[in-house]
Amino acid sequence: DAKTTQPPSMDCAEGRAANLPCNHSTISGNEYVYWYRQIHSQGPQYIIHGLKNNETNEMASLIITEDRKSSTLILPHATLRDTAVYYCIVLSYDKVIFGPGTSLSVIP
Amino acid sequence: DTGVSQDPRHKITKRGQNVTFRCDPISEHNRLYWYRQTLGQGPEFLTYFQNEAQLEKSRLLSDRFSAERPKGSFSTLEIQRTEQGDSAMYLCASSLDLGVTYNEQFFGPGTRLTVL
Repeated sequence: DAKTTQPPSMDCAEGRAANLPCNHSTISGNEYVYWYRQIHSQGPQYIIHGLKNNETNEMASLIITEDRKSSTLILPHATLRDTAVYYCIVLSYDKVIFGPGTSLSVIP
Repeated sequence: DTGVSQDPRHKITKRGQNVTFRCDPISEHNRLYWYRQTLGQGPEFLTYFQNEAQLEKSRLLSDRFSAERPKGSFSTLEIQRTEQGDSAMYLCASSLDLGVTYNEQFFGPGTRLTVL
């Protein structure tokens, strides 16, 4: 079973920041938080990952709480092309187990 | 294009027929994964290979399913005696495992199977 819980859907206005939450209260010390997204009819695409420090790359920022029980993926300026299902995953050294994810709709 | 490729992209078959899908991973990647995804659900793990060795199989992978990676490069997934419940998107992913920590998986575009 997936070790994460996410809201099933969210809306975001184009140009605004999209903040996608994820709860992973049972995460253990050596498990990373990974985010993927899946645009309709395509394979999942890696976005970002982190262990305990906040991370930023050209796509997004990842904020992990100090107790590591939750995290937030931030898309700073959402565009229509960011409309997708976003998956939050925790794992250490094994297969990826996807939950149902959050369906993000970016609205013009 | 140096990404993960899958062939065919779409397959329509009749119930009871056998089908085979191919996955070509990123060339230097030693791990290869197969997933199945049904509408509205996240991908479900089926099996994975480290080089040519099949290291884990999900209980979702019934005896009608078989996967191979004979030379540690491309992989095939065969479904025998297909059933309508096998209709799904079959995704392949690859990663470079350095034995230290998890490395992100790169996914192919998937093969959409429709069983009539």
